[in-house]
Amino acid sequence: QQQVKQSPQSLIVQKGGISIINCAYENTAFDYFPWYQQFPGKGPALLIAIRPDVSEKKEGRFTISFNKSAKQFSLHIMDSQPGDSATYFCAASRGHQAGTALIFGKGTTLSVSS
Amino acid sequence: ETGVTQTPRHLVMGMTNKKSLKCEQHLGHNAMYWYKQSAKKPLELMFVYSLEERVENNSVPSRFSPECPNSSHLFLHLHTLQPEDSALYLCASSQDTRGSEKLFFGSGTQLSVL
Repeated sequence: QQQVKQSPQSLIVQKGGISIINCAYENTAFDYFPWYQQFPGKGPALLIAIRPDVSEKKEGRFTISFNKSAKQFSLHIMDSQPGDSATYFCAASRGHQAGTALIFGKGTTLSVSS
Repeated sequence: ETGVTQTPRHLVMGMTNKKSLKCEQHLGHNAMYWYKQSAKKPLELMFVYSLEERVENNSVPSRFSPECPNSSHLFLHLHTLQPEDSALYLCASSQDTRGSEKLFFGSGTQLSVL
């Protein structure tokens, strides 16, 4: 049972374009939704996160859009750069609960061509 | 660097070998984790330790045995592994085990079981 479904599996975007990665979750108890970025040979690193009390969060070129009723959230990368080429994982959890774990999606491999 | 160091970076072992993976965090965190990363699969949580006590074990086969001697060190002891256990094993730490806590990952150990 996959609790967090992520798409697409891979994505190729031209430099300067917009990259969009989508995630859907099933458990309505989830209230914390982070995105992690992983470069080859490295572990994942937190990129940006959102809680369901807001519909959008922006940090630089990275924006999370959140749709609570549809149980979906997405990552938008504006003005995509070759340095953004990496694997992106969405995740979800019950943020305030101790002993709970992040549930990750399968990941999206982004390639930004120059 | 993330403050989480894993050794070795690469490991090749036969199915009858016994080996150990090591993780050390220099962040003063109270929680440590083992994750398994396989191609085209979500990151799989294997074990969670909080203040050196195991708080979660996601039905991991007994051929994987974790050890947390103190809050800075985490080991994963491996014995009689199967070829399907070949994967990237990631260690992570966080301030505590709440779901909203930022995870700091090491670079992983790439394990190949022959």
